[in-house]
Amino acid sequence: GAGVSQTPSNKVTEKGKYVELRCDPISGHTALYWYRQSLGQGPEFLIYFQGTGAADDSGLPNDRFFAVRPEGSVSTLKIQRTERGDSAVYLCASSRNGQGDTEAFFGQGTRLTVV
Amino acid sequence: GENVEQHPSTLSVQEGDSAVIKCTYSDSASNYFPWYKQELGKRPQLIIDIRSNVGEKKDQRIAVTLNKTAKHFSLHITETQPEDSAVYFCAASGARGSYIPTFGRGTSLIVHP
Repeated sequence: GAGVSQTPSNKVTEKGKYVELRCDPISGHTALYWYRQSLGQGPEFLIYFQGTGAADDSGLPNDRFFAVRPEGSVSTLKIQRTERGDSAVYLCASSRNGQGDTEAFFGQGTRLTVV
Repeated sequence: GENVEQHPSTLSVQEGDSAVIKCTYSDSASNYFPWYKQELGKRPQLIIDIRSNVGEKKDQRIAVTLNKTAKHFSLHITETQPEDSAVYFCAASGARGSYIPTFGRGTSLIVHP
C-alpha cells in the first residue's frame, strides 16, 4: 500500500480480555514504532523495531504489553488482561531507516476502548 | 532520554495573524526536529522538519527556526487560515543511541475566520 495501514480502526473490548492490534508499514521501511496517544496528549513511545528485532521496548508500560515483527514488515501489538486505563489511540509509524533523522509516517491509529 | 517541552498548549488567533509555537529539548545530541500537524480524528502528518546543521527553514507560509545553543526550536505560521486549525506536535530525535522520535504534548491552534 501507499501508506501505513492499521487494523482495526476501532476496537471495543471488555476489561480483562486480550487484544491484538496490527500495523502494516510502508514497504521497504526498516524502522517501525508503536506509540500511544491519549486525549490531549502527544504520542507516547512504546516500542521500536529495527528489522525483526525490538531495538528498544523501554516504553512498554508493563508486561501485559508485547509486540512482534517476525518478518521485518507487519507488526502486532498485543495487550493481555486489558484494563480501562489502556483505552487510547495506538499509533504505528514507520521510517525508511532507523537513524531517527528521516520522516516517520503514521498510520490512522487504532482507537482502543476498554469497558 | 530525550525530553521535549512544547508551549503553548492552546493558541487562538484571528485569520491572517501569525502563530508561533515553541519547543525545547534536553538532549544536545539530537539532530532532527520534525513538526507534525494532526487534524481531528486523523493521523499526524509531517509539515516541515529541520536538521541541526541548519538554523532556519521556510516552506511558503510555514517556517521553523532552531537554536542549538539554547536547545529550542519554533514553528512560525504566517497569514493563518481556518484550515490551519489543528493540533501541532514538535519532536526531536537522531541523537546517538536515541533514534526514537520524542514528541511534545501538542498545541491546539484555532484560527477564527
